[in-house]
Amino acid sequence: DTGVSQDPRHKITKRGQNVTFRCDPISEHNRLYWYRQTLGQGPEFLTYFQNEAQLEKSRLLSDRFSAERPKGSFSTLEIQRTEQGDSAMYLCASSLVGADLQETQYFGPGTRLLVL
Amino acid sequence: RKEVEQDPGPFNVPEGATVAFNCTYSNSASQSFFWYRQDCRKEPKLLMSVYSSGNEDGRFTAQLNRASQYISLLIRDSKLSDSATYLCVVRGSGNTGKLIFGQGTTLQVKP
Repeated sequence: DTGVSQDPRHKITKRGQNVTFRCDPISEHNRLYWYRQTLGQGPEFLTYFQNEAQLEKSRLLSDRFSAERPKGSFSTLEIQRTEQGDSAMYLCASSLVGADLQETQYFGPGTRLLVL
Repeated sequence: RKEVEQDPGPFNVPEGATVAFNCTYSNSASQSFFWYRQDCRKEPKLLMSVYSSGNEDGRFTAQLNRASQYISLLIRDSKLSDSATYLCVVRGSGNTGKLIFGQGTTLQVKP
């Protein structure tokens, strides 16, 4: 499978615990995005990377959230001291952007987080 | 006001019907527009990009009206397999790659 992959697919945790999600983009895609989706809503942008550089972060991304893409390939999203309001589907997307800045974002299957 | 607004529906239509979804966006500087499809508990998948001149892909036609900041999707001859949530998506202005999604419109095609 050459699509975007995410791990784990499901995570149940207790409030106050830390969780980490991983995203593996499509090979050679230079941009990687994180979004969050709650029931009945469209995905909301969290942050994105171009290669190793984190170019933009949403105000939704509180200081409990951190994302990395250390080698410009896979990325991790960590949530510290989880709260019940963090329960959502966390979606990763990747794209190959060229000099014209045109791109198509391809989404992974998501990690569904439930905080008890 | 949300940056991208859609009627959440649901739209319940019989097979073979024509159905239209509309969407409005607030940032007049937005440059790129898309419709994504999302099946229940699955990831969003690109259905089609939307161009100023309008574009068609089989039974699907997308239109953009920049003056009114309005995007539409028309589905002709609906199939059962078209049942899904359709997300109106706008790329933020400037060089950002971030996508701004509407709430989604749910379509249920019935036999």
